[in-house]
Amino acid sequence: GNSVTQMEGPVTLSEEAFLTINCTYTATGYPSLFWYVQYPGEGLQLLLKATKADDKGSNKGFEATYRKETTSFHLEKGSVQVSDSAVYFCALRRRAGGTSYGKLTFGQGTILTVHP
Amino acid sequence: EPEVTQTPSHQVTQMGQEVILRCVPISNHLYFYWYRQILGQKVEFLVSFYNNEISEKSEIFDDQFSVERPDGSNFTLKIRSTKLEDSAMYFCASSRAQNTEAFFGQGTRLTVV
Repeated sequence: GNSVTQMEGPVTLSEEAFLTINCTYTATGYPSLFWYVQYPGEGLQLLLKATKADDKGSNKGFEATYRKETTSFHLEKGSVQVSDSAVYFCALRRRAGGTSYGKLTFGQGTILTVHP
Repeated sequence: EPEVTQTPSHQVTQMGQEVILRCVPISNHLYFYWYRQILGQKVEFLVSFYNNEISEKSEIFDDQFSVERPDGSNFTLKIRSTKLEDSAMYFCASSRAQNTEAFFGQGTRLTVV
């Protein structure tokens, strides 16, 4: 079945540090890949997505590239801010026969804390 | 900006009791979902709902669970007889179509004692 594995957290960084959160997946076919973020007290928000191999999703300085050969979708940011402190979830949505189904399969989440 | 709202934010219930978790999806969305996250574990899919019927459900979603869209605006998850292991954060989500962005509520933390 489909699954998503994220690097173990929590991750603690100083402001302006480089961030990488690893994500690998197992899926049949060619899934769409997502990063969701959950700020304290809020729901999950879509951060970025990629729908096919070699696509790069980007938003708010975050980037992730869909790597089919390594089945990965690592999240990166060159310079983190205190306001980036949140929980980050990698997820996939399967696609079958050209149709995308709505169900998301999530990783376990990575807690990021950024100190001034 | 439209958002998905969930109530209550936190519910404590005794084992064996019925609970209803409520969600108001975004008004022009057609697909509705429930997910849950047991503390320290992954966010897990429970069920998707479209056109007034369940379109997909996970093995977690057994006979103790049911969903309903009673009045065209609310979307509810009922757990008939809660168990300790039902303690989790429950997220509601909605999307305009199956392949468009899913918008999530802030979650209801259910604690079964």
